Amino acid sequence: GIQVEQSPPDLILQEGANSTLRCNFSDSVNNLQWFHQNPWGQLINLFYIPSGTKQNGRLSATTVATERYSLLYISSSQTTDSGVYFCAGKTSYDKVIFGPGTSLSVIP
Amino acid sequence: SQTIHQWPATLVQPVGSPLSLECTVEGTSNPNLYWYRQAAGRGLQLLFYSVGIGQISSEVPQNLSASRPQDRQFILSSKKLLLSDSGFYLCAWTPGTYSYEQYFGPGTRLTVT
Repeated sequence: GIQVEQSPPDLILQEGANSTLRCNFSDSVNNLQWFHQNPWGQLINLFYIPSGTKQNGRLSATTVATERYSLLYISSSQTTDSGVYFCAGKTSYDKVIFGPGTSLSVIP
Repeated sequence: SQTIHQWPATLVQPVGSPLSLECTVEGTSNPNLYWYRQAAGRGLQLLFYSVGIGQISSEVPQNLSASRPQDRQFILSSKKLLLSDSGFYLCAWTPGTYSYEQYFGPGTRLTVT
């Protein structure tokens, strides 16, 4: 079926550490996107990355569409990076579906 | 630039009461529009999406309905709320044709008592 999976489900980091979050998606999913949901519930766009690599400050993302996965890299993590990270993708008929999320806690 | 509005921000309603949540987008035309629900500590569940006025695709329920009376307006409704309708409701839009980058509104926290 149509799926978007994320790993790990939970992650605890010491401030300053690096991390990699993974998103696997099925054949019928494309136009990958990464979001950060802050503690107030707002979904913040991080990357729209159907393929290739993008970087924005301490964050970068890579999507290898032919192998059906995307990675989000967080370097030198800060406490403000805490929250839930979602990947999402478009399926047929313009539907956009989400993975279950990775809950990140960065401790000082 | 484009902006998406949702209201109200929070809502407490008794079981059996009606519901109307509104979402509007500014600064774009003919967007794709989406309603999602997020239960506490869970992922986003797609409820409805629309690619044009009067065109609604339902993904899940039962107790909720959606309408798109104008190009940039998307409404989520219920005639009688259930306890299980509690959650965080998020509206989103994408440009559609040339990009599927999705943008979200601030959300409505609904508590059914």
